Amino acid sequence: KAGVTQTPRYLIKTRGQQVTLSCSPISGHRSVSWYQQTPGQGLQFLFEYFSETQRNKGNFPGRFSGRQFSNSRSEMNVSTLELGDSALYLCASSLPATSGRQETQYFGPGTRLLVL
Amino acid sequence: TQLLEQSPQFLSIQEGENLTVYCNSSSVFSSLQWYRQEPGEGPVLLVTVVTGGEVKKLKRLTFQFGDARKDSSLHITAAQPGDTGLYLCAGSQDNYGQNFVFGPGTRLSVLP
Repeated sequence: KAGVTQTPRYLIKTRGQQVTLSCSPISGHRSVSWYQQTPGQGLQFLFEYFSETQRNKGNFPGRFSGRQFSNSRSEMNVSTLELGDSALYLCASSLPATSGRQETQYFGPGTRLLVL
Repeated sequence: TQLLEQSPQFLSIQEGENLTVYCNSSSVFSSLQWYRQEPGEGPVLLVTVVTGGEVKKLKRLTFQFGDARKDSSLHITAAQPGDTGLYLCAGSQDNYGQNFVFGPGTRLSVLP
């Protein structure tokens, strides 16, 4: 079974630009979460999508947005890029959790974004 | 302020040595996970613990969840170079086991 794939793997942008990152979950997984990882702040939760609906959201500004398609693929968009947005953006997919049951998150390799 | 603290931040040891890394919080978690992340890759789940006092073993790795479900430890016996990586703990406070918050990680280097 193929793992979580993310494209592109590396990206360089300049301040003020916008960027779109893509994530294809493991086949059959319907929940997709996005995380930002930086050396200073560690791994921080951005948002989670399930069945094309945003189910949970972290504490990030509105410049960060996402969406999920009917095939569970997800995209995240960052508008008006700032230097501090340079980070590794990770996507994780899982089966939808049910009460009392832990569902494993499988992470992709990430997209490394550098904002100049 | 981090909800989860991890110590030490960095650890460099020789192959064959034992080590313990810690994950601490003042908050109670319904479940706690440990991940290992290697360069250029996403984190990979090692274990999930859900019961206070629970101990789980994965080959040379032993995980313990604190009795009060506020802390956890990871002990590695006879470390090998393949154990090198960033070890992350992540805690969830909801009943669905979602919405995990991650600690900053312990970066382990095992030298041959």
